[in-house]
Amino acid sequence: SYVLTQAPSVSVAPGKTARITCGGNNIRSKSVHWYQQKPGQAPVLVVYDDSDRPSGIPERFSGSNSGDTATLTITSVEAGDEADYHCQVWDINSHWVFGGGTKLTVL
Amino acid sequence: QVQLVQSGTEVKKPGASVKVSCKTSGYTFSNHGIIWLRQAPGQGLEWMGWSNTYSGHANYAEKFQGRVTMTTDTSTTTVYMEMTSLRSDDTAIYYCARENAESGTYKCDHWGQGTQVIVSS
Repeated sequence: SYVLTQAPSVSVAPGKTARITCGGNNIRSKSVHWYQQKPGQAPVLVVYDDSDRPSGIPERFSGSNSGDTATLTITSVEAGDEADYHCQVWDINSHWVFGGGTKLTVL
Repeated sequence: QVQLVQSGTEVKKPGASVKVSCKTSGYTFSNHGIIWLRQAPGQGLEWMGWSNTYSGHANYAEKFQGRVTMTTDTSTTTVYMEMTSLRSDDTAIYYCARENAESGTYKCDHWGQGTQVIVSS
């Protein structure tokens, strides 16, 4: 089965740049999607197809995908960005695959 | 606007069954599949299965095969997820989400609010 690996936590100061990674075997061959989940709320799609943003998502959120690692980048981090971030791909054998999630803490 | 509204909190005893509903609105029901996921306390998202709202067919993650059934009611644009033989480790928040495959890739673009299922004796 296909596995996605995320670091449990990332910390960043306000105004700085946060980078959240998602590792998977040859993940560059797949389209990666990212979800933001604030405490007590359902997830929200923030980046899809590696680097596209749904309408209403700030340009501060961007994504990239290369080799075995996909990255969600959040620039000019704000207190309101504090949340769990989950990556997801679709695999022909495993179907819907999610990473374990990364908790972003804004210091 | 697109909405997915789930049924309320359930408290069940071990061995019982639970059925969670996901009422959809604001779009053409049969154009998008519905997936079900769960999130145990402090854990990540776990995919459980997918309902084809056009055909009514469903497929399930191997872990849940034989214990989960997903059904579709096109007259009410509602999808259901039933789980049997509940155990304490089934305690989780259960989510339905709308599948979006418009760019040729599979992602969830709208989510229900979640249903808390508590399994306790």
